[in-house]
Amino acid sequence: SQTIHQWPATLVQPVGSPLSLECTVEGTSNPNLYWYRQAAGRGLQLLFYSVGIGQISSEVPQNLSASRPQDRQFILSSKKLLLSDSGFYLCAWLADTGELFFGEGSRLTVL
Amino acid sequence: GQQLNQSPQSMFIQEGEDVSMNCTSSSIFNTWLWYKQDPGEGPVLLIALYKAGELTSNGRLTAQFGTTRKDSFLNISASIPSDVGIYFCAGPGLDSNYQLIWGAGTKLIIKP
Repeated sequence: SQTIHQWPATLVQPVGSPLSLECTVEGTSNPNLYWYRQAAGRGLQLLFYSVGIGQISSEVPQNLSASRPQDRQFILSSKKLLLSDSGFYLCAWLADTGELFFGEGSRLTVL
Repeated sequence: GQQLNQSPQSMFIQEGEDVSMNCTSSSIFNTWLWYKQDPGEGPVLLIALYKAGELTSNGRLTAQFGTTRKDSFLNISASIPSDVGIYFCAGPGLDSNYQLIWGAGTKLIIKP
């Protein structure tokens, strides 16, 4: 069966520091992968999606970037974090049925 | 672009009450998905609907795919404390199979 994991689960970073969140999927090949952000008590905002290695689509201009170095790996990065980057980040993969399955989430606090 | 309007935004209910929430759109959807998100966790798929008029149950949860394809309903019967959380509706955009359109969520709170 397919599984998706992301880490770290929580992190506290100072303003201006770099960021790297990692997501891996197992049990499927060439999945469509997604990074979402969720502000406290709010809905899901799509940040990036990827349909294959090296293919990244950005949905909103921002201080973040994404990379897909391997088929089942999706990385969210920033060179210099801003206070507004705080939030709950979710990685997800899309099944053939059109259903989206999420990782456990990574809570980022920028101080 | 396509949007999903989810209501109510939040609900305060007594334990044991039935809950009803809905999602509407001005455009049609071919799939409706209902998710629940517990605090600090990723959303988990509850029910997926693929056919207009379809009525599907998952335990105490029942969801329906509206016949116009522009709405969907989620009902929870006899609510219990573990039902608290945020419920989202979602569906694939017509112009892109890669992206889901999301409702803003319905926050369910059970009164002590």
